[in-house]
Amino acid sequence: GAVVSQHPSRVICKSGTSVKIECRSLDFQATTMFWYRQFPKQSLMLMATSNEGSKATYEQGVEKDKFLINHASLTLSTLTVTSAHPEDSSFYICSATPSNQPQHFGDGTRLSIL
Amino acid sequence: QKEVEQNSGPLSVPEGAIASLNCTYSDRVSQSFFWYRQYSGKSPELIMSIYSNGDKEDGRFTAQLNKASQYVSLLIRDSQPSDSATYLCAVNKRAAGNKLTFGGGTRVLVKP
Repeated sequence: GAVVSQHPSRVICKSGTSVKIECRSLDFQATTMFWYRQFPKQSLMLMATSNEGSKATYEQGVEKDKFLINHASLTLSTLTVTSAHPEDSSFYICSATPSNQPQHFGDGTRLSIL
Repeated sequence: QKEVEQNSGPLSVPEGAIASLNCTYSDRVSQSFFWYRQYSGKSPELIMSIYSNGDKEDGRFTAQLNKASQYVSLLIRDSQPSDSATYLCAVNKRAAGNKLTFGGGTRVLVKP
């Protein structure tokens, strides 16, 4: 089945640090990937749609300069949380859609900002 | 009104019983419907997808879709303690590409 790999699985860092999270589709090409954020006991909230070779589409209320998305190839999208602060601590999850299939999720990245 | 609504639970069921989860959605143009299971601290995994009215069965899981009433449900037969998780309902509209809108999730507790 389709596999989406996300790295790293856990990050703990100091406030002000920028953190990069990678999302890879391992056995299929993904022109579109999605980035979600999930706070404790809440559902997934879509942050942005990552588009290969073009700018990401951000959801309302998500700062594009804060959450930089790059989708330079058909198998890799990256999310960079710039100058992270404690309120950015959350569970970040990416997903991708093989053709004619539902979204498959990566294992998620738990980000903790001290 | 939220686009996709679920009862947050917890839904407590005894082992071996049927767990019944419901989800309603507000946009009539919604076309694809999904149930994901999420264990605590893990990412969601796809359980079922359903695209047309009626029932769809896969093992112990049955998804039911009623577009006229704008609801989709999930039945878990012979519930096992390993089914204890949060179940997320997700809806897709063709105009939204592959973008999904998630409900808040229903927490299910299966008691031995």
